[in-house]
Amino acid sequence: IAGITQAPTSQILAAGRRMTLRCTQDMRHNAMYWYRQDLGLGLRLIHYSNTAGTTGKGEVPDGYSVSRANTDDFPLTLASAVPSQTSVYFCASSDSGLGAGELFFGEGSRLTVL
Amino acid sequence: AQRVTQPEKLLSVFKGAPVELKCNYSYSGSPELFWYVQYSRQRLQLLLRHISRESIKGFTADLNKGETSFHLKKPFAQEEDSAMYYCAPPPSDAGNMLTFGGGTRLMVKP
Repeated sequence: IAGITQAPTSQILAAGRRMTLRCTQDMRHNAMYWYRQDLGLGLRLIHYSNTAGTTGKGEVPDGYSVSRANTDDFPLTLASAVPSQTSVYFCASSDSGLGAGELFFGEGSRLTVL
Repeated sequence: AQRVTQPEKLLSVFKGAPVELKCNYSYSGSPELFWYVQYSRQRLQLLLRHISRESIKGFTADLNKGETSFHLKKPFAQEEDSAMYYCAPPPSDAGNMLTFGGGTRLMVKP
């Protein structure tokens, strides 16, 4: 059972370049999330999706976009990367967008923007 | 939005000492809270949730509605407990964002 798979694991990117972080889950969870983890700031929600075909903005959505064409995939795109987007990105899913539900996380994607 | 706060960014204790990682919440309604842990080089994973009232790896967390707290406690810390700990409310519908606490790094010294 793979759970949540993120790719790439690590990437160095020049500022201004476009980058898509991939996230795939095989648990048929309705809800999916993207977080960034920064030292001293903890985990901050970028975007989320409660079900296929719908997305919503989190705390720090600027500079990022997402799509949810199907249940399994939830890619995160940086249209024009900037150094402040250097971070570790985590994708997560849960089996319920409402009420109590455990979050399952991917292993993270470490992105460095130069 | 449901909010949780972890006032300590770093907590350092010696092996065998008691440990308490603080978490305070600030939203109305019946709170349902979780503790997640991230060990070095591993993904975040659920440690425990308050509705289950269970003890995982010796950790417990009691919801205190009077103090609006959900502190994580362990009577005798072990070196393998060294990790990053996050307090969080459950996922919820659009309009209520899942907002983690800032996280507390626990260091257990030998």
